[in-house]
Amino acid sequence: TQLLEQSPQFLSIQEGENLTVYCNSSSVFSSLQWYRQEPGEGPVLLVTVVTGGEVKKLKRLTFQFGDARKDSSLHITAAQPGDTGLYLCAGAFYNQGGKLIFGQGTELSVKP
Amino acid sequence: NAGVTQTPKFRILKIGQSMTLQCTQDMNHNYMYWYRQDPGMGLKLIYYSVGAGITDKGEVPNGYNVSRSTTEDFPLRLELAAPSQTSVYFCAVKGAGGAGTGELFFGEGSRLTVL
Repeated sequence: TQLLEQSPQFLSIQEGENLTVYCNSSSVFSSLQWYRQEPGEGPVLLVTVVTGGEVKKLKRLTFQFGDARKDSSLHITAAQPGDTGLYLCAGAFYNQGGKLIFGQGTELSVKP
Repeated sequence: NAGVTQTPKFRILKIGQSMTLQCTQDMNHNYMYWYRQDPGMGLKLIYYSVGAGITDKGEVPNGYNVSRSTTEDFPLRLELAAPSQTSVYFCAVKGAGGAGTGELFFGEGSRLTVL
């Protein structure tokens, strides 16, 4: 059974601070995605990482995929109130067909 | 272009009742998913399908059933509803990009309360 452990579960910071969210598994990911969800809506894709060691940047967001493909991180630089939301990692695993499972989510609140 | 359509958006059930959540896509993609989300939590995979006629269990399949007779439709049936099934249910379709890399497109969600 593959499990995704996401941490921290809650994060409350001031505008301008930096933060990092982590996503780990005991199994090797074939690919990993990060989503952001706002209240009352479905999640929206931020990025997909596939290659071990891969780093992708999306404005102030930096996504990293571990060399062993068992972990990933999302780093936000100079957080803004508009970054507030639920951040979710979602992983696919080898020999699991189309199965895609999510972590528990990180509830981020950025105060002005 | 509707994308992924879920109905109903809201429903209140009594314990022991049954109902079907409908999910229809007009994207012509093979992979479809049902997730449930409890308040402030991540999404738990209930069932998924990689194409018409093929379904498989996810993390929390007990108390639910699915069918996939066409590419477009992937209904989720709740038999003998229980309070533990109170949740928001999301249907999702995976876009192009392979089994693990395609983007998930979500419906608006169905908020179910079992009393």
